[in-house]
Amino acid sequence: GEDVEQSLFLSVREGDSSVINCTYTDSSSTYLYWYKQEPGAGLQLLTYIFSNMDMKQDQRLTVLLNKKDKHLSLRIADTQTGDSAIYFCAEILRDDKIIFGKGTRLHILP
Amino acid sequence: DSGVTQTPKHLITATGQRVTLRCSPRSGDLSVYWYQQSLDQGLQFLIQYYNGEERAKGNILERFSAQQFPDLHSELNLSSLELGDSALYFCASSVGGTGERTYGYTFGSGTRLTVV
Repeated sequence: GEDVEQSLFLSVREGDSSVINCTYTDSSSTYLYWYKQEPGAGLQLLTYIFSNMDMKQDQRLTVLLNKKDKHLSLRIADTQTGDSAIYFCAEILRDDKIIFGKGTRLHILP
Repeated sequence: DSGVTQTPKHLITATGQRVTLRCSPRSGDLSVYWYQQSLDQGLQFLIQYYNGEERAKGNILERFSAQQFPDLHSELNLSSLELGDSALYFCASSVGGTGERTYGYTFGSGTRLTVV
């Protein structure tokens, strides 16, 4: 079935790197996404990666894609207090429907 | 401001009542999606409309219904409300077709529904 799995919680010390992992199910997914939800707000597209790429870097964000294992990760370098949020992994299916994971709550320790 | 407008932001109502949530999509977007977010179920897809027509249905209860109007705004109607319907309801929009493949969906800030 259609399912995107990710761990629910992650705690990281300020200044360290955060790595949020995700597994998806549809090997034909062409795009995979990371969304960020800050408290009291809607989801905001953080970054995306096209399926023919292994890696995408955007400032402090690095997305790694392992198509063989259907594994996606988001690395946030030099984690700041403003990075505290829920991060959703998502994949797009052939019918253009986007399936979201349950979200990983990133907690920043001082 | 994402460009997707949801009203009201907060709603408190009693069990058995009926409420209507409203969404105005981002200018130029033809698709509207409704999601329910609760602590234990995560983000659940409810329904999608494209240019006024229902396009996809997810885990939407029979007590819930939606529609998209000619001006592309959408309404989600929730009736015979139960305590378990308390959640954040998000609307998202996209261009439609293959447009969302690159840009994903644009989300509104949600309506928090509390059923007491």
